[in-house]
Amino acid sequence: ETGVTQTPRHLVMGMTNKKSLKCEQHLGHNAMYWYKQSAKKPLELMFVYNFKEQTENNSVPSRFSPECPNSSHLFLHLHTLQPEDSALYLCASSQDKGLAFYNEQFFGPGTRLTVL
Amino acid sequence: KNQVEQSPQSLIILEGKNCTLQCNYTVSPFSNLRWYKQDTGRGPVSLTIMTFSENTKSNGRYTATLDADTKQSSLHITASQLSDSASYICVVSSDGGSQGNLIFGKGTKLSVKP
Repeated sequence: ETGVTQTPRHLVMGMTNKKSLKCEQHLGHNAMYWYKQSAKKPLELMFVYNFKEQTENNSVPSRFSPECPNSSHLFLHLHTLQPEDSALYLCASSQDKGLAFYNEQFFGPGTRLTVL
Repeated sequence: KNQVEQSPQSLIILEGKNCTLQCNYTVSPFSNLRWYKQDTGRGPVSLTIMTFSENTKSNGRYTATLDADTKQSSLHITASQLSDSASYICVVSSDGGSQGNLIFGKGTKLSVKP
């Protein structure tokens, strides 16, 4: 596998379920990101991890819980979600969090989440 | 408030034709501007990156322009192909030191018809 992979690609869950999204990057990067992409809205940055440490949490509800066990893996744990949380969840990685010009973010294919 | 506005929201063109997508931003301080292409069901892929001092940058049939004075950018696609059908997202970085300060536009959905 190369680049950034995400599993599952599609997920349907009820509001009382607990599920997890997984992201893995094979690029040797040190920063990883979770984004939410809703229809007709810009990408929303959710969390940023740099060298396994969370550096940003953009006021994301606690029903979303990120985990970054190492620089290659990133998880998003989901529990008691709402229907409005249905969206495409994208994971991205970059060399590190600094030097905005050089640190292109590479995105995974996303997980299409539907909350019933 | 930092914002990125893209137009049109959607566009349909015939294969072989040219088109231009617009991006206006009110982001300060400005670091760089990227255009991403997002195919349906895929993550965004970077096409070009432009800094304050760059006016034009090309990547194959894609040419991006930047006017830092008017805070406008455009993406011109030449001799469109069916594979150009995608959403094109303009992203402005507002802080030279932080990758996290990215402001995304809503994107322009381009459909190329045979």
